[in-house]
Amino acid sequence: NAGVTQTPKFRVLKTGQSMTLLCAQDMNHEYMYWYRQDPGMGLRLIHYSVGEGTTAKGEVPDGYNVSRLKKQNFLLGLESAAPSQTSVYFCASSSGSGEYNEQFFGPGTRLTVL
Amino acid sequence: GQNIDQPTEMTATEGAIVQINCTYQTSGFNGLFWYQQHAGEAPTFLSYNVLDGLEEKGRFSSFLSRSKGYSYLLLKELQMKDSASYLCAVLDSNYQLIWGAGTKLIIKP
Repeated sequence: NAGVTQTPKFRVLKTGQSMTLLCAQDMNHEYMYWYRQDPGMGLRLIHYSVGEGTTAKGEVPDGYNVSRLKKQNFLLGLESAAPSQTSVYFCASSSGSGEYNEQFFGPGTRLTVL
Repeated sequence: GQNIDQPTEMTATEGAIVQINCTYQTSGFNGLFWYQQHAGEAPTFLSYNVLDGLEEKGRFSSFLSRSKGYSYLLLKELQMKDSASYLCAVLDSNYQLIWGAGTKLIIKP
């Protein structure tokens, strides 16, 4: 039982390049989330999904796209990376909302955009 | 706007007790979470409060006062491994988690 996994763990991009971050969970959770974490700030929600085939915008969605083609996977795409997207990205999953919203996090992806 | 405030950093001594406070102003309230995050690692769940009062879980306790928009995390018998950041997060009216910036706790021998 691996929980939530993320690939890659580290990445360096040049401005304008694109990339996809992959998140996978083996807990059969319905809800999945992508956050970014920057120094001195709380986790900020980028996009989330309440089930296979559905996605929704979070607090800071600009410059990112997501897809949830399979229940266990949630992909985050950067079409044209910018230095402002340098951050640590965390994926999380939960079995539901409300009081069942205990979120399980992946180990994170450290992205640097030059 | 929505706002969650926590102290940026706290220092405590091994074996002592420390209280980390969190105050919040959010659009609605559906519960408050505390997470622990060691440097370079992912956050992990510590506690959930939705009713007023104290929830105890081993060396950790969490308190909530909804009328005051206030919570605290109490850590007893501090150990060196408790050195970490502690994140307060509130579930708002849309069932979205709003996160504080976290409190970095430094434990000294």
